Amino acid sequence: DIQMTQSPSSVSASVGDRVTITCRPSQDISSWLAWYQQKPGKAPKLLIYTANTLQSGVPPRFSGSGSGTDFTLTISSLQPEDSAVYYCQKVDRFPITFGQGTRLEIK
Amino acid sequence: QLQLQESGPGLAKPSETLSLTCTVSGGSIGTSDYYWSWIRQPPGKDLEWIGSMYYSGNTYHNPSLKSRVTISLDTSKNQFSLRLTSVTAADTAVYYCARGGNHVGFDPWGQGTLVTVSS
Repeated sequence: DIQMTQSPSSVSASVGDRVTITCRPSQDISSWLAWYQQKPGKAPKLLIYTANTLQSGVPPRFSGSGSGTDFTLTISSLQPEDSAVYYCQKVDRFPITFGQGTRLEIK
Repeated sequence: QLQLQESGPGLAKPSETLSLTCTVSGGSIGTSDYYWSWIRQPPGKDLEWIGSMYYSGNTYHNPSLKSRVTISLDTSKNQFSLRLTSVTAADTAVYYCARGGNHVGFDPWGQGTLVTVSS
């Protein structure tokens, strides 16, 4: 099965900062990657799919890029409400796997 | 607007079977455009996909759970269900149901329901 490795495992940044989270699948998954945001006690929320397509209603400060085995989620100007855990997920084929999550803290 | 809601016992005994239902409103599960899925998250840990089922009947499971998992659809009630047999404490988790689309991930999700496995 394809393993999804996220880095860093946690990051702390200030409001207005640019933050980048990386996801590296163990095999090529083309552009079949999704990103989620999960806040405490809530279900994950889909942010981005097919690596770079913003889900409806998601603020444009979120963006995704990459293909193959190297993907990035970028938050261009961090806001207080962006404090959350972020997960990547392969969506090429079954079985589905998630990354181990990146915890984003606002300083 | 499609909404999903999990329901079922919040407590299961070791070696017994965990059964959960997801009720879908605002749309039909009888469509070939999507698949219907279960995902879980042990307290303080990461997301784990359990399995998914298409309306056609095609079903896919996490290899680590495959022999213990059954997912079924009830189009008359617009619900889908999860059965997980022979549960242990390691199956304690928040269980989520979600709609999946080919190559686009899970959206929307239910709010999740905590199931604790304990005697």
